[in-house]
Amino acid sequence: AQSVTQLDSQVPVFEEAPVELRCNYSSSVSVYLFWYVQYPNQGLQLLLKYLSGSTLVKSINGFEAEFNKSQTSFHLRKPSVHISDTAEYFCADTQGAQKLVFGQGTRLTINP
Amino acid sequence: NAGVMQNPRHLVRRRGQEARLRCSPMKGHSHVYWYRQLPEEGLKFMVYLQKENIIDESGMPKERFSAEFPKEGPSILRIQQVVRGDSAAYFCASSPLPQETQYFGPGTRLLVL
Repeated sequence: AQSVTQLDSQVPVFEEAPVELRCNYSSSVSVYLFWYVQYPNQGLQLLLKYLSGSTLVKSINGFEAEFNKSQTSFHLRKPSVHISDTAEYFCADTQGAQKLVFGQGTRLTINP
Repeated sequence: NAGVMQNPRHLVRRRGQEARLRCSPMKGHSHVYWYRQLPEEGLKFMVYLQKENIIDESGMPKERFSAEFPKEGPSILRIQQVVRGDSAAYFCASSPLPQETQYFGPGTRLLVL
């Protein structure tokens, strides 16, 4: 069965430090990969996505993720985090290009 | 362009009552998806609908849960005879086409007492 694994349930970092949130997928077919962010008591917002083309995708607020087919990974990175980045981050891929399969989520906590 | 709308945002029901959750997709979107987020868990797919059709309901519990997306009006997720285990956040998403990005609503947080 297709699955998405987020290896870290919680990641605490200091403000202005770099961060990497790990995501691995298991699909053997073509995949579309996504990172969504959920701020407390809110819905999910699309952060960035990989559909095809360049394996490095970027968001408008400094996050980036690289699709690595050989390692079946789609890790999310940011070189310098801000307090406002505190949220839960979900990696997801598509199954049959219809429904999203989500990882368990990684709670990113930024300490001053 | 308004985003995906869900109402109510919070819903409290007693065991055995019915819960109706509504979702209005983004303008121009005819594909609707429902997901459930149990406490401390990720989101799990429930059902995928197009106008007047259920395309994939593989994530729906076999009993008490139903969904519809009529020709006119919002999509409805209906839970009959709710139990405490139904307490969760229910999110709706929409897309203009099946392979397009899904945009999520703010969710309905259901609490069953």
